[in-house]
Amino acid sequence: SQTIHQWPATLVQPVGSPLSLECTVEGTSNPNLYWYRQAAGRGLQLLFYSVGIGQISSEVPQNLSASRPQDRQFILSSKKLLLSDSGFYLCAWSEGGGKDIQYFGAGTRLSVL
Amino acid sequence: DAKTTQPNSMESNEEEPVHLPCNHSTISGTDYIHWYRQLPSQGPEYVIHGLTSNVNNRMASLAIAEDRKSSTLILHRATLRDAAVYYCILRLGGWGGADGLTFGKGTHLIIQP
Repeated sequence: SQTIHQWPATLVQPVGSPLSLECTVEGTSNPNLYWYRQAAGRGLQLLFYSVGIGQISSEVPQNLSASRPQDRQFILSSKKLLLSDSGFYLCAWSEGGGKDIQYFGAGTRLSVL
Repeated sequence: DAKTTQPNSMESNEEEPVHLPCNHSTISGTDYIHWYRQLPSQGPEYVIHGLTSNVNNRMASLAIAEDRKSSTLILHRATLRDAAVYYCILRLGGWGGADGLTFGKGTHLIIQP
């Protein structure tokens, strides 16, 4: 069966520090991968998605970037965090060319202080 | 994705059925109706989806109006674990969708013991 791993579960970072969140999927190949953010009191917002290695689509211009160095690995990064980057970050996957159902990780709660 | 409208919140009693409505008057002929739910401090979870006919699975049932301008998610016997935010989302096509989900505010379902 397929599983999605996302870490860390919680993170507290100072303003201006770098960020790296990692997401990996097991049990499937060539998945579509996604990063979402849920800011406090707001809805889930798509940040990036990827249909293959090295292919990244950005939905919202921000202080963040994403990379997909391997088929089942998706990384969310920032060079310098802002206070507004605080939120609940979620990674998700779906079958590439398959059923249009997304499966979400447990999320990372990021607090930028 | 076409727009959906849901009540902000609903309340129900444990072990009773729950009917969660969703209006989507601008739905197109190829839009599928998807439902996800998000339990507190967790990532969203796929519940069910359908196109025209009513659908049943182990989690819930989806009743779709004949004109497809509305649908209802039915939890047959709610438990405290069903307390969550429920999202109704329209998706173009049923297979191979690579773009992200557009989440609205959803319906906050409260279950009373």
